[in-house]
Amino acid sequence: AQKVTQAQTEISVVEKEDVTLDCVYETRDTTYYLFWYKQPPSGELVFLIRRNSFDEQNEISGRYSWNFQKSTSSFNFTITASQVVDSAVYFCALDSNYQLIWGAGTKLIIKP
Amino acid sequence: EAQVTQNPRYLITVTGKKLTVTCSQNMNHEYMSWYRQDPGLGLRQIYYSMNVEVTDKGDVPEGYKVSRKEKRNFPLILESPSPNQTSLYFCASSLSYYNEQFFGPGTRLTVL
Repeated sequence: AQKVTQAQTEISVVEKEDVTLDCVYETRDTTYYLFWYKQPPSGELVFLIRRNSFDEQNEISGRYSWNFQKSTSSFNFTITASQVVDSAVYFCALDSNYQLIWGAGTKLIIKP
Repeated sequence: EAQVTQNPRYLITVTGKKLTVTCSQNMNHEYMSWYRQDPGLGLRQIYYSMNVEVTDKGDVPEGYKVSRKEKRNFPLILESPSPNQTSLYFCASSLSYYNEQFFGPGTRLTVL
């Protein structure tokens, strides 16, 4: 069965620390997409990244980076030099049979 | 402005009183979807639509109906709401199921 696990329910760090959010997935598909979305306290859902299963290159966008490893079925998200504005719930998701399967989310708290 | 709109944003109703939550997108997207978000469970897909007149069940379709008569609209219908349908509902649209999804602002529904 397709599944996404975000084992970290909540993470709290002090501003400027680096933080990694874990995402482990299960799928029998050979071709699939993985996503990260952010939900700030205001409640909207914001797309961060999409990764194709054939593209294992790591991605960096400013302070954000993603590490995709097929061998361990993981798609981890790292925020470097965290800021208070990064406080949000972060969701990892996997596309499967025309649907998105979502992890339960990790609540990230950045303390000033 | 490209957007997904949902109405109403907040709704308190009573058990058994039929209601409709509207969803509209102005991006000419083919794929549309409804999710419910409950604490600790992430987002769960209720129904999705690949195109006009094509809809299919997601993971939690019981108690819900949808229709897709026009490309831009994808209303969610609760024929006989029950308290376990109290939740935060999101509508989303994308070019296709594997593309970035754009989300509406959410509808907070309380069924008494």
